[in-house]
Amino acid sequence: DAKTTQPPSMDCAEGRAANLPCNHSTISGNEYVYWYRQIHSQGPQYIIHGLKNNETNEMASLIITEDRKSSTLILPHATLRDTAVYYCIVRGYNTDKLIFGTGTRLQVFP
Amino acid sequence: GAVVSQHPSWVICKSGTSVKIECRSLDFQATTMFWYRQFPKQSLMLMATSNEGSKATYEQGVEKDKFLINHASLTLSTLTVTSAHPEDSSFYICSARDPRQGAREQYFGPGTRLTVT
Repeated sequence: DAKTTQPPSMDCAEGRAANLPCNHSTISGNEYVYWYRQIHSQGPQYIIHGLKNNETNEMASLIITEDRKSSTLILPHATLRDTAVYYCIVRGYNTDKLIFGTGTRLQVFP
Repeated sequence: GAVVSQHPSWVICKSGTSVKIECRSLDFQATTMFWYRQFPKQSLMLMATSNEGSKATYEQGVEKDKFLINHASLTLSTLTVTSAHPEDSSFYICSARDPRQGAREQYFGPGTRLTVT
């Protein structure tokens, strides 16, 4: 699976959009981009995933660049409860394994 | 979404004893479950893939005789830490994929915090 690179930490004001970048320059054509988050001392929570098109659900939007080498997770209106570590993971089509990187620690402040 | 539970949520045991952690899929059947370990301020590390009705597949560097995995039914996988030592103290998390979901996202349990004294 392709390796991902994320900034170690980010801050965001409550109510503003949080834009979390992820670099996956070695991604191959059949690999998906997944985002999970982990709130302190809990199991990770699925957020969203995509292959090449932008995706949106009730939690977030995922913007994938045309060359698929990077993506951005957007939380449109961050709340204090969005404070967590966000993991960007690249996963092959034929595997269920998730290999976690170091993630981005997002701190939402009042 | 689908629900995965773990039991116990935390456990303290003495060095040299064995501890069993259960992972259950509550509203779906999972032929495959995964076990992760997470040390403080670190990321999750995949330990093994638990396959219903067959042997688990361990990641490189994980001792299969120390971390026994049994997936006896489609809703239950267990991880037994044998002869636990203080360095095994960690947060153990399981996950499972709901095969009804075409999107292949996994659902994670709440984790089990193990402290070995």
